[in-house]
Amino acid sequence: AQSVTQLDSHVSVSEGTPVLLRCNYSSSYSPSLFWYVQHPNKGLQLLLKYTSAATLVKGINGFEAEFKKSETSFHLTKPSAHMSDAAEYFCVVSGPGGYQKVTFGIGTKLQVIP
Amino acid sequence: DADVTQTPRNRITKTGKRIMLECSQTKGHDRMYWYRQDPGLGLRLIYYSFDVKDINKGEISDGYSVSRQAQAKFSLSLESAIPNQTALYFCATSDSGLAGPSNTGELFFGEGSRLTVL
Repeated sequence: AQSVTQLDSHVSVSEGTPVLLRCNYSSSYSPSLFWYVQHPNKGLQLLLKYTSAATLVKGINGFEAEFKKSETSFHLTKPSAHMSDAAEYFCVVSGPGGYQKVTFGIGTKLQVIP
Repeated sequence: DADVTQTPRNRITKTGKRIMLECSQTKGHDRMYWYRQDPGLGLRLIYYSFDVKDINKGEISDGYSVSRQAQAKFSLSLESAIPNQTALYFCATSDSGLAGPSNTGELFFGEGSRLTVL
């Protein structure tokens, strides 16, 4: 069984300040973990993924996430928010060996204040 | 051109009408999926297909049907639409060709089809 919990449904930051979007997961396996971003009226785009290699994963647009097995967390961070980061972000956990099961979090809406 | 194309992008229909949402992909992936997105619920899987002859129900398949016409095409039908099927629908693909541990389950999404049932 697996699940994913995004701890905040909405996050608001000022432009130029750090971003932290929190995600906790549970899985019976060694999971793959993803962050996807969805801009308004767009599909989901992969930001980054963890697949049992390096625990600190760097993605596009300056985002990164750290896999912490002891805390079952995969929080998404960015040092300095940009207006274009305003979007909805989804944390996703996937079972091993491909599409055994993919579970989406409910999403976190990021607002960036000028 | 988008790798995963959904048509129509927007549709308004009435209760009881039959609706088809179509998805085509140029990524060459063998696996295709239909998801539904509702505010506060994330994405939920309706149906998935691992190849043309393999179709499987997801979490919320009731009221929906699918057809995999070719490797590149996967359509979703609502036989008799009802208002609580108003949602944003996404088609996605993935590639099983990355066998074993390298197959991470990464999904590639279309831009969505917004369906409103009155």
